[in-house]
Amino acid sequence: QVHLVESGGGVVQPGRSLRLSCVASGFTFNSYDMHWVRQAPGKGLEWVAFISYDGIDKYYVESVKGRFTISRDNSKSALYLQMNSLRAEDSAVYYCAKKKSVDCFDYWGQGTLVTVSS
Amino acid sequence: DIVMTQSPDSLAVSLGERATINCKSSQSLLYSSNNENYLAWYQQKPGQPPKLLLYWASTRESGVPDRFSGSGSGTDFTLTINTLQAEDVAVYYCQQYYSIPLTFGGGTKVVIK
Repeated sequence: QVHLVESGGGVVQPGRSLRLSCVASGFTFNSYDMHWVRQAPGKGLEWVAFISYDGIDKYYVESVKGRFTISRDNSKSALYLQMNSLRAEDSAVYYCAKKKSVDCFDYWGQGTLVTVSS
Repeated sequence: DIVMTQSPDSLAVSLGERATINCKSSQSLLYSSNNENYLAWYQQKPGQPPKLLLYWASTRESGVPDRFSGSGSGTDFTLTINTLQAEDVAVYYCQQYYSIPLTFGGGTKVVIK
């Protein structure tokens, strides 16, 4: 049974940093690409970042390029999102999501809430 | 970037009736080399993460009831929920995976009339 559990969210001031984690279980983590997707309160879904199974390929939505870094530790079945220079518009629930054989998401975590506010 | 536009924003349907949700992409999602449409549909209930319903525009994910079906090709797609059940109350999203950045439609909220 696949489980994805995010952590690391919280309230942070604009310009500060936060690191999100996602621990995976129930599947061979090092064989699957992973994504981060976010959802602002009461809003729709926005894809944020992708990382390949081996950590080599990474892609980001334009609005976070240069500020966010996706990474993974396959030895720990963990996915990370380092978020720097946070802005109010980054406030959202952040979900980690497992990529299916194609770039859609077949399993999602419950999400972790990030609130950027002074 | 591929822009995904859903309609309507919300939809009220009686129990047992059909719900139809539309999704339009700003460019074709049909990949000529495999003749597949790079489109997925998700259901999101309040307080829950999204759940994958369909991919390749019309292939149901394992465990998804067959009252959910998808159709369309190129730039115009439809999610149909036949014989709406109370548990189908949710927001539904389409998503293209033809190109990065992956993008979602704005969502369609389905409620009971």
